Amino acid sequence: NAGVTQTPKFQVLKTGQSMTLQCAQDMNHEYMSWYRQDPGMGLRLIHYSVGAGITDQGEVPNGYNVSRSTTEDFPLRLLSAAPSQTSVYFCASSSTSGYSSYNEQFFGPGTRLTVL
Amino acid sequence: AQKVTQAQTEISVVEKEDVTLDCVYETRDTTYYLFWYKQPPSGELVFLIRRNSFDEQNEISGRYSWNFQKSTSSFNFTITASQVVDSAVYFCACRWGGFKTIFGAGTRLFVKA
Repeated sequence: NAGVTQTPKFQVLKTGQSMTLQCAQDMNHEYMSWYRQDPGMGLRLIHYSVGAGITDQGEVPNGYNVSRSTTEDFPLRLLSAAPSQTSVYFCASSSTSGYSSYNEQFFGPGTRLTVL
Repeated sequence: AQKVTQAQTEISVVEKEDVTLDCVYETRDTTYYLFWYKQPPSGELVFLIRRNSFDEQNEISGRYSWNFQKSTSSFNFTITASQVVDSAVYFCACRWGGFKTIFGAGTRLFVKA
C-alpha cells in the first residue's frame, strides 16, 4: 500500500496563477480532507469529503475548490494564487468503517507551496 | 465555539527528563473524539493515540502516557525519560462528530542530548 500520496512535493507559483494539488489514497477510505499548515497555527481544515460526489467546506475554504469524482482521488484547486496561500498543504484520509468519527487520519507527505 | 488550545509553543528538555504537553479543548457537545499526532523533523504526520469522550481511562504505551480529564477539558500527553528521537511537533486534535477535525497550534519539543 502506498497510503496517501501527494504531488507535487514543492511548487512555486506567481500571484494569479492557478494550479491543482493532487492527492490519492489506496486504502479505500471514504473520508478525505485537505489541511494547510502555517507556523504557529497548526493545521487548518480547508475542505473535506465523505465520499465520491460529496464535499464540504472546512475552516478556511476561500480561494480553494475541490471535487471528488472517485474514492481514490481528492484534488485541491487554487483558482488564483495569492501570497497568503503560501503554506504546506496536507491531504489526509480515514476509514468510515465502524465508529467512523473515531478513526484516525492518515496523512500524505505534504506539498510545500510558495506564491510570489 | 469549538477550540483546541496548546498553550506551550516550544518546550526544551534534556534527555531523560520527563515532559508533559498540555491540551485543552472547548466544546458544548457531550460526544467528541480526541487525538494526538506527532510531526517529526522529516515533516510527516503520525497518529499516536485517540480517545472518545466516554472513556476517561488513562493510557500508557511504553514511555508515552495520556491523561484525559473531562472535568478540566484536558487531554495531556507525558513522555517519560525523553529521548532525542522524541524531538518533534506534537498536535492535539478534536473531532465533534461527523468528520471535521480541529487541531491545536502544536507544541514543538526539543530534546537535547
